[in-house]
Amino acid sequence: KAGVTQTPRYLIKTRGQQVTLSCSPISGHRSVSWYQQTPGQGLQFLFEYFSETQRNKGNFPGRFSGRQFSNSRSEMNVSTLELGDSALYLCASHELAGGYNEQFFGPGTRLTVL
Amino acid sequence: AQSVTQPDIHITVSEGASLELRCNYSYGATPYLFWYVQSPGQGLQLLLKYFSGDTLVQGIKGFEAEFKRSQSSFNLRKPSVHWSDAAEYFCAVGASSGGSYIPTFGRGTSLIVHP
Repeated sequence: KAGVTQTPRYLIKTRGQQVTLSCSPISGHRSVSWYQQTPGQGLQFLFEYFSETQRNKGNFPGRFSGRQFSNSRSEMNVSTLELGDSALYLCASHELAGGYNEQFFGPGTRLTVL
Repeated sequence: AQSVTQPDIHITVSEGASLELRCNYSYGATPYLFWYVQSPGQGLQLLLKYFSGDTLVQGIKGFEAEFKRSQSSFNLRKPSVHWSDAAEYFCAVGASSGGSYIPTFGRGTSLIVHP
């Protein structure tokens, strides 16, 4: 099976712009989670989607949003970019929501905000 | 709220030496504990997990971890480190939320392996 894929792998934006990141989960996985990784704050949970519905949300401002499509692919959007949004954004997928299922991580999208 | 502390930011070991990475957690209930590894340019890979039962957990790549409730610790060990083990290691505690387990990660420990 192919792993979790994230596109693009690298992205450079300027302050005030908006950005959309994409995540394709492992085939058959219906849950997708997003994380932000920065040197200052470490790894932080953004949100989780299951069957096109947001199930959990981390403590991030409303500029961060996401969605999931019927084929389980997910996108996250950051509007009005700030310098502090520069980070590695990781996507993880797992089979089902409910109970523990191992999350499989993609390689991430490196976002740089200038 | 749960939290995880990894007191060592960097650890340097020689190839072939033993390794122990420390992790302390804070969680009000029975914790679900994880260790992940992240190689440069890669996502996270699960090394092992603890939910219940035997407090000594075996994982992939020759790693093991021991859960000690009295010390709120979940330290990762490997008897003989290989150069390919150089990476960032993250301890996490998982909290059940809306039917899923949301991990809270420690800040990570960077492992440097000298030949």
